[in-house]
Amino acid sequence: DAGITQSPRHKVTETGTPVTLRCHQTENHRYMYWYRQDPGHGLRLIHYSYGVKDTDKGEVSDGYSVSRSKTEDFLLTLESATSSQTSVYFCAITAGTLDSPLHFGNGTRLTVT
Amino acid sequence: DAKTTQPNSMESNEEEPVHLPCNHSTISGTDYIHWYRQLPSQGPEYVIHGLTSNVNNRMASLAIAEDRKSSTLILHRATLRDAAVYYCILNYGGSQGNLIFGKGTKLSVKP
Repeated sequence: DAGITQSPRHKVTETGTPVTLRCHQTENHRYMYWYRQDPGHGLRLIHYSYGVKDTDKGEVSDGYSVSRSKTEDFLLTLESATSSQTSVYFCAITAGTLDSPLHFGNGTRLTVT
Repeated sequence: DAKTTQPNSMESNEEEPVHLPCNHSTISGTDYIHWYRQLPSQGPEYVIHGLTSNVNNRMASLAIAEDRKSSTLILHRATLRDAAVYYCILNYGGSQGNLIFGKGTKLSVKP
């Protein structure tokens, strides 16, 4: 398996609290992505990064921010969690070339009560 | 981005071949066709990709129509472990970043 670890694996938090999810890779890949997955919506891209301190918004970025201060870590922050952000969050990495597929982590299940 | 259309669900019997269709009538000349699958409680995993020619790898085969408006993922002998949601995705230029996942086809495999 590609070296990609998400933490925590599960989290329950209350509405209005800040939450940070971490994605750590050991592959030295340039590109990292955060997706969320909800029933009926499939996977949707939140934010992505194409290098250290280089990030951009995806399809559903409202309410989320990201940071990438090191190649190996990509953090997703919910500044003030809402119940609509209850979801399973997946991180993915790729070297960005045609023959470098996306490798996904095992996901973080977040519940906002 | 060009869109794909897949059946919501399909059933197969174990050890039989499975043909998973994907329609992409608005595909452009530089769009690559990617297939990923997602096993229960896991993140998606790469299966195969192609541009114009049919492709084979250890997991599956990808058959691409001559006009490229459709493609078929072929699992030669389905196993119970192949039960998953299969996603057909188009991406400009072939890089496998920024992939937009649709709802895919849920494949059930019966013993």
